[in-house]
Amino acid sequence: DQQVKQNSPSLSVQEGRISILNCDYTNSMFDYFLWYKKYPAEGPTFLISISSIKDKNEDGRFTVFLNKSAKHLSLHIVPSQPGDSAVYFCAASYSGAGSYQLTFGKGTKLSVIP
Amino acid sequence: DAGVTQSPTHLIKTRGQQVTLRCSPKSGHDTVSWYQQALGQGPQFIFQYYEEEERQRGNFPDRFSGHQFPNYSSELNVNALLLGDSALYLCASSLLLSGGTDTQYFGPGTRLTVL
Repeated sequence: DQQVKQNSPSLSVQEGRISILNCDYTNSMFDYFLWYKKYPAEGPTFLISISSIKDKNEDGRFTVFLNKSAKHLSLHIVPSQPGDSAVYFCAASYSGAGSYQLTFGKGTKLSVIP
Repeated sequence: DAGVTQSPTHLIKTRGQQVTLRCSPKSGHDTVSWYQQALGQGPQFIFQYYEEEERQRGNFPDRFSGHQFPNYSSELNVNALLLGDSALYLCASSLLLSGGTDTQYFGPGTRLTVL
């Protein structure tokens, strides 16, 4: 049973346009969400996170939106650049005692076309 | 400021052998987690170490074991290797905060191939 789902395996976007990557979760105990970017032959790089007490967090070109009622979050990249081409992973955790792991989705491969 | 480092980069073993992978956490971090990433999948949590003890374990058999040293570095050991253990093994470090752990930062990974 996958608790974090990224239903789009891939996404292509024109350079300069907005990229929107989506993520759904099923475990209502999750209260902290992260996005990681991964290039081939490298480890995941932390991008941005959001706590469940917020519905939006911004960092430069990256914005994460959280809709708790829908158990859905999205990552917006504006404007998209060719260097953004990578696999993006959504991850979730909860701060309850005894739980420290990150649960990942399967990833979405973003291709930004020049 | 050195990030998370892992060694070796690549490793080839045969079925039944044993392997040890190593990780040094980011400077200032005291917690190390290990993940397995199979091809086409997201990373899956193996276990986490803090204060030299295993604090939480994911759904992995006892063939997977680990250790954390006083300098916070860590090892992942896998015994009796199976073909299905072929994967990218990722180490992540973080800092234990009062309300839980901080963001986890990943190393480049060790690519293990079991023949």
